[in-house]
Order: sequence, then C-alpha cells, then structure tokens
Amino acid sequence: KQEVTQIPAALSVPEGENLVLNCSFTDSAIYNLQWFRQDPGKGLTSLLLIQSSQREQTSGRLNASLDKSSGRSTLYIAASQPGDSATYLCAGRNSGNTPLVFGKGTRLSVIA
Amino acid sequence: DAGVIQSPRHEVTEMGQEVTLRCKPISGHNSLFWYRQTMMRGLELLIYFNNNVPIDDSGMPEDRFSAKMPNASFSTLKIQPSEPRDSAVYFCASTTNWGYEQYFGPGTRLTVT
Repeated sequence: KQEVTQIPAALSVPEGENLVLNCSFTDSAIYNLQWFRQDPGKGLTSLLLIQSSQREQTSGRLNASLDKSSGRSTLYIAASQPGDSATYLCAGRNSGNTPLVFGKGTRLSVIA
Repeated sequence: DAGVIQSPRHEVTEMGQEVTLRCKPISGHNSLFWYRQTMMRGLELLIYFNNNVPIDDSGMPEDRFSAKMPNASFSTLKIQPSEPRDSAVYFCASTTNWGYEQYFGPGTRLTVT
C-alpha cells in the first residue's frame, strides 16, 4: 500500500530564496505523482503532474522531480515570493484510475 | 468545461441530522473519488467509483456514511445521522480511466454542532 510522507511540516524562508520541498513514497511502482497548493480555507490547486516515465516537470518558477528508485519527489520553487505562502501537498497513485494517496503537506511561509 | 461541481459549498447542521453532499464530475470522466480533509488526518479517501460502480469503500468511517453514483454525471455522499466528529472538508475529484490528472472540486465545508 502506497504511503506518502512530507518533511518538514512547516518551513519559513525570506523572500527571494530558492527552496525545495520534499516528498517520499514507499511503493516504487508509482503511476504518477501530483503536487498541489492549498491556501487557507480553500480548495486544491494542481501545480504539476509527473508521470512515472518522466524525471521532471516545469511550470514557471516551479520544477518537480521524480526518482522512483529512491522513492522521492521534490518541488523546487525559484525566487520565492510572499504570494507563494501556502500549504503544498504531494500525492501519488499506483494506476490511472485509482485514488491518490496524500502526504500531510508542508506549510510554507515566505517572509517579505 | 465547468470543472468538478460540488454543492453545497458550506453546510452547518445539528448533530443527528441527515446531510447530503453532491458532486458532478467533469463530463467524460469515468472515475469519481470522495476525499475528506481534517486537521488531524489530512486528506483521506472515503470511496471511489469506476464507471458508476463502487470499487473501494474501505475509507468510509462507519455505516452512517453512504455514497451513490446513479449515473455518470452525479454522485452523492450521505451522512445519517451526523455527528460533530464528521466536521471536515469533503472533496470530490474525477479523472478518466487512463487517468493522468485528478481534478478536484472546491469542496464542501461541513460543520456539525
């Protein structure tokens, strides 16, 4: 059964810093992995999706990587801004139409 | 496309009352998922359907919870009777059978007093 862990639970950085959020999973037979952003009291915004055949995906200042052999994914945020403050969730699944298994998230604060 | 639609967006009810949450998946999507988010447990799957058939309901907390998908365009999650510990945000999501991305609705924030 897939298990997903995110460490740290909270992170505070000064504006402009480059940062990496970590996600680990237990089953290397992962089908794909999604990174989401959640603002307080709001829903989930999908940021990036990485298929098992891919190593990384990029969107603007965001870059997500996937290493199945080590069971790790990272979300890299370049030149962080206060508007990036939110909770970031990663979630993986083992086949196309099966549920996502979520980590508990990393709460990011970017200080101006 | 309007995306995944959930109603109501907010629900406040008293303990013991019946609560029905509704979800309309994206047209053409074959799989539908109900998740629940709490501070203590994070986001967890309650139940999911493929082609309107329930596949895994092991996440449903107890018999007070039930879910149906009478057709490809509509699903309900019912709690009867509701309890304060059911207070949470309930998300519905959908995807295609070959499922690249799961698309989430805005959620229903349930408060049981």
